[in-house]
Amino acid sequence: ILNVEQSPQSLHVQEGDSTNFTCSFPSSNFYALHWYRWETAKSPEALFVMTLNGDEKKKGRISATLNTKEGYSYLYIKGSQPEDSATYLCAFNLNNDMRFGAGTRLTVKP
Amino acid sequence: SQTIHQWPATLVQPVGSPLSLECTVEGTSNPNLYWYRQAAGRGLQLLFYSVGIGQISSEVPQNLSASRPQDRQFILSSKKLLLSDSGFYLCAWSLPGAGAPLHFGNGTRLTVT
Repeated sequence: ILNVEQSPQSLHVQEGDSTNFTCSFPSSNFYALHWYRWETAKSPEALFVMTLNGDEKKKGRISATLNTKEGYSYLYIKGSQPEDSATYLCAFNLNNDMRFGAGTRLTVKP
Repeated sequence: SQTIHQWPATLVQPVGSPLSLECTVEGTSNPNLYWYRQAAGRGLQLLFYSVGIGQISSEVPQNLSASRPQDRQFILSSKKLLLSDSGFYLCAWSLPGAGAPLHFGNGTRLTVT
């Protein structure tokens, strides 16, 4: 059984705050780690796919890091905006299947 | 460009009735196909995935089944729905091989009454 854990479960921040959340995953048999953003009334959309230990990816104000040896990834949002409000999911890729964590629900207050 | 279609968007079915949810992908060949479910207050649970026609991997033993009769068609079925089958069902596709991101359909909200 592959367990992907995300924390915190939910987060409320003020506009302009920077924030980060954690994804932990099995460190053995690692292939890839994905981050998705899931906005209300929409489908999840891919943010990043990371495969190498030490990978860092960035898209605008959002960035992610990966540590495959210890089995965790961080997602950072700099200067949060109300439009960043969403559930952020990480997923662990093993061969052709993909297992998701329960997500971190972010609410950014104006 | 690739597109994914999933229907219906919402469905209300009585306990014991059959289920058929359909998903089709356009603009790509031999995609990996997935069915996920989100139960109330929980994350995405992988139900089935397929790497080719007739090849189905089941992750959760239950009264649901999946079929892939054509390369870009993925069907989720049940002969008799249970109350616990209520949830939000998402179909997704990816390019073959691990490491490719998933592209999701718009989902089906299933309520079993």
